[in-house]
Amino acid sequence: KAGVTQTPRYLIKTRGQQVTLSCSPISGHRSVSWYQQTPGQGLQFLFEYFSETQRNKGNFPGRFSGRQFSNSRSEMNVSTLELGDSALYLCASSSRDRGNYGYTFGSGTRLTVV
Amino acid sequence: DQQVKQNSPSLSVQEGRISILNCDYTNSMFDYFLWYKKYPAEGPTFLISISSIKDKNEDGRFTVFLNKSAKHLSLHIVPSQPGDSAVYFCAASANGNQFYFGTGTSLTVIP
Repeated sequence: KAGVTQTPRYLIKTRGQQVTLSCSPISGHRSVSWYQQTPGQGLQFLFEYFSETQRNKGNFPGRFSGRQFSNSRSEMNVSTLELGDSALYLCASSSRDRGNYGYTFGSGTRLTVV
Repeated sequence: DQQVKQNSPSLSVQEGRISILNCDYTNSMFDYFLWYKKYPAEGPTFLISISSIKDKNEDGRFTVFLNKSAKHLSLHIVPSQPGDSAVYFCAASANGNQFYFGTGTSLTVIP
């Protein structure tokens, strides 16, 4: 069974630009969550999508948005990039079956804003 | 506001000894807890979970203890092995909704 695939692995962008990150979940998983990891902050929840609908949202500005397609693949977009957006962005998928709340994470996209 | 806290950023343990990683939470509605392990340049991998109806869950060398009254959980690794060296995150959720993660504890197991 293929794992969670995130592309690209590394990205360098300039302040003010926008970026789109992609996540393909495990086949059959309908829930995709996005997290930002920065040193000292742990993993900060961005949002969760389930069956193409945003179900939960963290405390991030509106510059951070996402969507999920009918095949459960998800994209995350950050507009007007700031230096502080430099982080590892992790995507996690889950089947969300009753009683099974575990995530499987991808390897992440390392975004550097210069 | 950090609802899940791991107050020890790092921990060093001799190979063969016990590693104890701690995690505190503030939200009494949390009813499901996970531990993840993360190696550099990889995503976190699921280690062990516990629901609030239990106070202990064991899986091989890994045991998680939950003290609901103290809002505290801990991960015990016995015996510790060099391959256990990684960053460990605890996470908590209420009713399986979004998971709140701690800031992680970097474990180094010394051969």
